[in-house]
Amino acid sequence: EVQLVESGGGLVQPGRSLRLSCAASGFTFDDYAMHWVRQAPGKGLEWVSGISWNSVSIGYTGSVKGRFTISRDNAKSSLYLEMSSLRAEDTAFYYCAKDLYRSGLRYFDLWGRGTLVTVSS
Amino acid sequence: DFQMTQSPSSVSASVGDRVTITCRASQGIGSWLAWYQQKPGKAPKLLIYGVSTLQTGVPSRFSGSGSETDFTLTINSLQPEDFATYYCQQADSFPTFGGGTKVEI
Repeated sequence: EVQLVESGGGLVQPGRSLRLSCAASGFTFDDYAMHWVRQAPGKGLEWVSGISWNSVSIGYTGSVKGRFTISRDNAKSSLYLEMSSLRAEDTAFYYCAKDLYRSGLRYFDLWGRGTLVTVSS
Repeated sequence: DFQMTQSPSSVSASVGDRVTITCRASQGIGSWLAWYQQKPGKAPKLLIYGVSTLQTGVPSRFSGSGSETDFTLTINSLQPEDFATYYCQQADSFPTFGGGTKVEI
């Protein structure tokens, strides 16, 4: 079955770190770019970060640049998001998403179910 | 930074209606535009990319048009399963989503 499964979310204090993981199955993982997209409860979608198939092209939204690091392990068909210096405004559901393409950071044609990150003291 | 402005933010409609949602980009994006549908408690679903290309399995009552800064999603003959929130997304630069349009009864 073609799917993405996120893990690693939870409750974390402001200023602390958290690592999200996404396990992919059912498709050739290293044929596609991958992304993290978040959605605060009751709010809209926000692209967080994306990475090309070979990790050469990486991008971040401005509010997380310098705090979040995206990476992938093609041998394990896994995507990661290392989040540090977390803030209350980072509270959201974090979705792992597959790109339609290999290199450009473009469109999201497969999504996981999301993992909730809550930043609160 | 890119801004994507959707209108309306919500629309009331009935089964069988034609619904039109617009999306305006703060600068030209060529044809790098997609539309997504999201139902409560679910992940978004890609409907259309490249302005007008329907993703596999998406019903033909959905259509997209536009170029550069002004884009439209049209749903012909609205079905019960179409009541959801719709987002546009530009892909010319790092992805940016519009604020969403809720289609409700």
